[in-house]
Amino acid sequence: GNSVTQMEGPVTLSEEAFLTINCTYTATGYPSLFWYVQYPGEGLQLLLKATKADDKGSNKGFEATYRKETTSFHLEKGSVQVSDSAVYFCALSGTGGSYIPTFGRGTSLIVHP
Amino acid sequence: EAQVTQNPRYLITVTGKKLTVTCSQNMNHEYMSWYRQDPGLGLRQIYYSMNVEVTDKGDVPEGYKVSRKEKRNFPLILESPSPNQTSLYFCASSLSQGRGNEQFFGPGTRLTVL
Repeated sequence: GNSVTQMEGPVTLSEEAFLTINCTYTATGYPSLFWYVQYPGEGLQLLLKATKADDKGSNKGFEATYRKETTSFHLEKGSVQVSDSAVYFCALSGTGGSYIPTFGRGTSLIVHP
Repeated sequence: EAQVTQNPRYLITVTGKKLTVTCSQNMNHEYMSWYRQDPGLGLRQIYYSMNVEVTDKGDVPEGYKVSRKEKRNFPLILESPSPNQTSLYFCASSLSQGRGNEQFFGPGTRLTVL
């Protein structure tokens, strides 16, 4: 079946540091890939997505590129802020005859001033 | 404002006492689903619905029931809650089950079963 693997957290950074959160997936066919963000006490919200190979999703300074050859969708940001502290979930959907989404376990990011 | 609402936000109950968590969306979405979030396990899907009167099991359906009588509402029912159902629950909706459609999540319901 489908699966999503994210790096374990927490990831702790100082403000203005470079961020990478790794995400790799296993799926048949050509899934769509997503990053969701969960701020403390809130539900998940879409951060960015990519629907085909080599697409780059971007939003709020975050970027991720759909790499089919390495089955990866790593999240990056050049300069993090304290307000980016949250839990980040990588997800995929739309493959294997089912559109039931598959989520990774989430990576907690803590940014210190 | 487009949103998914859940009620209650917090609930403490006792083993065996039936409860319902309501979920409603105002975006005319076809697809709705329920997840539970547990530390170290991420999000796991409980049930989903592709449209009115169409529901199906997700990854962890045991101990839960759902119904979809109207497009906007998708309640989660625990007929005999047990302590292992203590968790954070999220309802979500999307336009359809299409591969590129994002999901919109409610704010969550924190359930404690004593």
